[in-house]
Amino acid sequence: NAGVTQTPKFQVLKTGQSMTLQCAQDMNHEYMSWYRQDPGMGLRLIHYSVGAGITDQGEVPNGYNVSRSTTEDFPLRLLSAAPSQTSVYFCASSYGVNQETQYFGPGTRLLVL
Amino acid sequence: SQQGEEDPQALSIQEGENATMNCSYKTSINNLQWYRQNSGRGLVHLILIRSNEREKHSGRLRVTLDTSKKSSSLLITASRAADTASYFCATYRYGGSQGNLIFGKGTKLSVKP
Repeated sequence: NAGVTQTPKFQVLKTGQSMTLQCAQDMNHEYMSWYRQDPGMGLRLIHYSVGAGITDQGEVPNGYNVSRSTTEDFPLRLLSAAPSQTSVYFCASSYGVNQETQYFGPGTRLLVL
Repeated sequence: SQQGEEDPQALSIQEGENATMNCSYKTSINNLQWYRQNSGRGLVHLILIRSNEREKHSGRLRVTLDTSKKSSSLLITASRAADTASYFCATYRYGGSQGNLIFGKGTKLSVKP
């Protein structure tokens, strides 16, 4: 099993550009989530999904969109990138909504100029 | 908003010593989890302790939970240089149709050979 994979590993954007961060898992997990990690701030939840077709907002959803058309994939879209979105983004998944153990991807480092 | 707060923010010890990290949280929880993050990598789940448990062991890890004080501690015994990483506590609280995992800001552990 590949576990949780994320692409790209690193991306530079200009303010106003849009892009999609990809996340996929091959463990048939129901629950998937996106976090951002900023220095001194720990991880903050952006969006999450409890199954295909179901998504909801986390703590810091503004400026991001998600969709969950399949169990495996959970892309995160930045509609119009801003410098405040410079961060490291992590995707995670777990078997059920009780989140017994979350499995994290390796992260995407995003720089918005 | 952060639920868990780790203490200390940074800890430097010699190889072979024990390392203790603490986590305090604000509201009632269903479980508390500890994760490790090596520099530039994703988070890795270490151990989960449920609200009705007081202590749990896994190899060189010992976790305690005091729900009356809303606090937990992670003890790493006989530390190794490879234990150098950031350690995060995360609290889970089931609410409504689902809950979410909320991470603290982490303790940065440095183990010197």
